[in-house]
Order: sequence, then structure tokens, then C-alpha cells
Amino acid sequence: KQEVTQIPAALSVPEGENLVLNCSFTDSAIYNLQWFRQDPGKGLTSLLLIQSSQREQTSGRLNASLDKSSGRSTLYIAASQPGDSATYLCAVPTQGGSEKLVFGKGTKLTVNP
Amino acid sequence: NAGVTQTPKFRVLKTGQSMTLLCAQDMNHEYMYWYRQDPGMGLRLIHYSVGEGTTAKGEVPDGYNVSRLKKQNFLLGLESAAPSQTSVYFCASSYQRANTEAFFGQGTRLTVV
Repeated sequence: KQEVTQIPAALSVPEGENLVLNCSFTDSAIYNLQWFRQDPGKGLTSLLLIQSSQREQTSGRLNASLDKSSGRSTLYIAASQPGDSATYLCAVPTQGGSEKLVFGKGTKLTVNP
Repeated sequence: NAGVTQTPKFRVLKTGQSMTLLCAQDMNHEYMYWYRQDPGMGLRLIHYSVGEGTTAKGEVPDGYNVSRLKKQNFLLGLESAAPSQTSVYFCASSYQRANTEAFFGQGTRLTVV
């Protein structure tokens, strides 16, 4: 059974700092991995989708990496801003049934001015 | 540019009452999902659909029913609401399997008293 873990559960940093969020998964036979952002009281917004054949995917100040063999992904946020404060979730399709996504519980990021 | 729209956004029910949550997407997506999000539990899949006229059980289907009579709509029903069903419900859709980008609605906050 695919399980996704995100550590830490919460992170507080000063504005301008570069930071890394971690995601690990137990079954490395994945099609892809997605990173989402969730603002309080809102739905999830897709940030990056990184395919299993890719090592990295970039969008603006965000960079996601994927290491299937070790079951890990990282989301790098450069020059963090208070507007980056949100909960970040990663998700992977389940093993043998790619209709469904399995989510981590998220990392709540606070960027202090 | 509607994307995924959920109706209603908020609802309070009494124990034993019934209701239907509506999810509509205008992206011609085949796959649609209903999740619930609870503190400390993360996102859990209730039911999903891989196309018009099809539905399947997810991780926590008990107490819920779904229907996908039209490709663009996915309905989640609670026949006899219980306090344990107090949660935030999210609908999502994707073009094909979970190896394509998922788009989420803004959520329905349901309280059962």
C-alpha cells in the first residue's frame, strides 16, 4: 500500500530564506508526483507535476526534484515571501491503480516578514 | 474559466438529514473524485469515477453514495448524516488517470449537529 509522508509538519522561516520541503513515498513504482498548495479555507492548487522520467521540474521560484529509487521528492522555494505561507501537499498515484492519488498530510509553511 | 465548481460552499445539517453535494467541471475531464479532509487525517478518497456512468469506492466510502450521470457532474450524497461526517469535502477532476494534473474545487464545509 502506497504511503506518503511529509516532514516536517510545520515550518517557520524569515522572509527571503531559501527552503526545502520533503516528501517521501513507500512504493517507488509511480507514474508521477504532484505538489499542491492549499491556502486556509481554500481548495488545492496544483503547483508542479513531475513525471517519473524527469528528475526536476521548475516553475518560477519553485523547483521540484524526484528520486524514484529512494522514494523521495523535494520542493525547493527560493527567496521565500510572506505570500508563500500555505500548506504544501505532495501526492502520488497508487500502485497498480493509477486512477487514485495518495496524499501526504502536508507541511504548513509560515514565512515571516 | 470556472474549472471545478462545488455547491454549496457551507452547510449545517442535523443528524439523520440527507443532502447532495454537487461538483461540476467544464474541462471535459474523464476522471472525477470526492475527498474529505479532516485535521490530522489529511485527504482521504471517498468515491471516484473514471467516466460517465461509472463510479468506484475509495478509501472511506461508508455512509456516502455517488452518481455520474453526466460527464461534467459528480454528485456526492449523504443519506442519513452523522456527526462523524463533519468535514471539508473536496471534489477534483483530471483529464485521464491520476498521472495527469488534478484540479480541485474550493471545498464544501459541512457540519453535522
